[in-house]
Amino acid sequence: EAGVTQFPSHSVIEKGQTVTLRCDPISGHDNLYWYRRVMGKEIKFLLHFVKESKQDESGMPNNRFLAERTGGTYSTLKVQPAELEDSGVYFCASSEFDRDLRGYTFGSGTRLTVV
Amino acid sequence: SQQGEEDPQALSIQEGENATMNCSYKTSINNLQWYRQNSGRGLVHLILIRSNEREKHSGRLRVTLDTSKKSSSLLITASRAADTASYFCATDFQGAQKLVFGQGTRLTINP
Repeated sequence: EAGVTQFPSHSVIEKGQTVTLRCDPISGHDNLYWYRRVMGKEIKFLLHFVKESKQDESGMPNNRFLAERTGGTYSTLKVQPAELEDSGVYFCASSEFDRDLRGYTFGSGTRLTVV
Repeated sequence: SQQGEEDPQALSIQEGENATMNCSYKTSINNLQWYRQNSGRGLVHLILIRSNEREKHSGRLRVTLDTSKKSSSLLITASRAADTASYFCATDFQGAQKLVFGQGTRLTINP
């Protein structure tokens, strides 16, 4: 089966611009998660979708971040306007069950650089 | 904060040696997972150990879990150059459906 796909793999934008990251989960996976790792720090949870609904968005840093999952398939994460501290790697993961003992399948991540 | 902590932050060993990484956490968990990240790539799930398990094996990987000490260890035996990567523990803690990651251990295997 195809894995979790994220694009772009890299994005370099100027401060103040807008960037949209996309994640395509494994087909049939209702649960979709966004995480990010800012430089040198731990990987942190951003939010969790179950189908098209936001189950938990407690990790979203501020209102410059907007995540959507229309139709319960792919998801987008928009950062508008981007700030320097938004630089990092954004990971998406999906799972079939709400607590999947097979672990989560992560995408390769999008490396975002804000200059 | 429920974040985990890992040690060492960096580990460099010779090929063929064993590598041990440790992880500590703060809250009650459902399970603990280990992931690997090769440079520039995504996170790869390695192994999951449930809170009622004490030890688990998968190939050259051995994971232990001590819930009384809130700690886990990952042992990689007979290391290979391809094991060079960052390794992260992640706890799936009770009361929330999300993973809390440690800061990771950067493992370098020298040929």
